[in-house]
Amino acid sequence: GAVVSQHPSRVICKSGTSVKIECRSLDFQATTMFWYRQFPKQSLMLMATSNEGSKATYEQGVEKDKFLINHASLTLSTLTVTSAHPEDSSFYICSARDVRGSQPQHFGDGTRLSIL
Amino acid sequence: DAKTTQPPSMDCAEGRAANLPCNHSTISGNEYVYWYRQIHSQGPQYIIHGLKNNETNEMASLIITEDRKSSTLILPHATLRDTAVYYCIVRVNAGGTSYGKLTFGQGTILTVHP
Repeated sequence: GAVVSQHPSRVICKSGTSVKIECRSLDFQATTMFWYRQFPKQSLMLMATSNEGSKATYEQGVEKDKFLINHASLTLSTLTVTSAHPEDSSFYICSARDVRGSQPQHFGDGTRLSIL
Repeated sequence: DAKTTQPPSMDCAEGRAANLPCNHSTISGNEYVYWYRQIHSQGPQYIIHGLKNNETNEMASLIITEDRKSSTLILPHATLRDTAVYYCIVRVNAGGTSYGKLTFGQGTILTVHP
């Protein structure tokens, strides 16, 4: 079945550090990828939609300069949390949508980000 | 605004069928019903989706009412590994380069016990 690979699975770093998370579709092409954030005991919240070759679309309240998204190819999108602070600690999850729009959306296994 | 309503939690005995309900009374004609589940500390896993006909795959069955205002996900023989949060989501299933966002509600916490 379709696989979405997310790396790294866990990051622990100091406040002020920038952290890059990669999301890859392994056996399909994805013109659109989605980035979600999930705080403990809460549901997934969509942060932004990443489109290959164009600028990402951010949800209301999400700072685009804080969360940089690059979708350089049909199989790779990256999320960079710039100058991360403890309040950015969360579970970040990516999702990829097959170019064949009738296919279901698949998710990566998430990245646990902890800012000290 | 929430587009689906699910009970916050349900219990099921191992080996029995788990029937998870979902209300989507404002569903549009071109919106599909999707079910995902999330096991603790993992990304959501796709289960099944449908438009108006009942659907079945190796994981589950999806029963959609004739008026499409509600649906039920059926896990025919629940196991302990089926313990997870189950999300019912409605979404436009546009083809090609168009897309519809998956908006997650609170879901149903299904606990399968021995």
